[in-house]
Amino acid sequence: ETGVTQTPRHLVMGMTNKKSLKCEQHLGHNAMYWYKQSAKKPLELMFVYNFKEQTENNSVPSRFSPECPNSSHLFLHLHTLQPEDSALYLCASSQAGGGNQPQHFGDGTRLSIL
Amino acid sequence: QKEVEQDPGPLSVPEGAIVSLNCTYSNSAFQYFMWYRQYSRKGPELLMYTYSSGNKEDGRFTAQVDKSSKYISLFIRDSQPSDSATYLCAMSGRNTGGFKTIFGAGTRLFVKA
Repeated sequence: ETGVTQTPRHLVMGMTNKKSLKCEQHLGHNAMYWYKQSAKKPLELMFVYNFKEQTENNSVPSRFSPECPNSSHLFLHLHTLQPEDSALYLCASSQAGGGNQPQHFGDGTRLSIL
Repeated sequence: QKEVEQDPGPLSVPEGAIVSLNCTYSNSAFQYFMWYRQYSRKGPELLMYTYSSGNKEDGRFTAQVDKSSKYISLFIRDSQPSDSATYLCAMSGRNTGGFKTIFGAGTRLFVKA
């Protein structure tokens, strides 16, 4: 099993659809993250969970709704998205939520909004 | 001023060349410094992780941190076509309410055979 697994790898959806992105980590880490990566821009942190508790919401629109049922799984529920939400969505995990532990990334979900 | 500045490139070098990739930053609170490699259609992969100033070597890769100048570098010796990727710098430190990690936008590297 690879360290951080994301599904699906690609997703095309209309603006009125509802879908979910899934992330699973097999590293025994306690912190998980969602990032948005757009072309030629730095990674944008969206949400942080530490021991299943959300510790950071970086002013993300409510059309993105995270869920962390346990330290190994993280979901991002999507609804009523906009074309500008098309991007690569990356999940990461680290030993703990402190920034002194490096983050390990999955391969992302490429999201396209029609 | 951006917290982290990284030249987007692209940087094109011949096989065997020494590559130098750099980032500058503005927040003196950053203490941990990382380099990630990201291949096309893949997530970022951690290459180097260093604390404070100094050098760290791992095979063909050397990470260098100069906190006094707020400048970090990644050197790749004997570059190979398989090194062609986007390289992201990242740094973290204590911020109000906890630690913060910031990423550069990445430098695209092409190594020509």
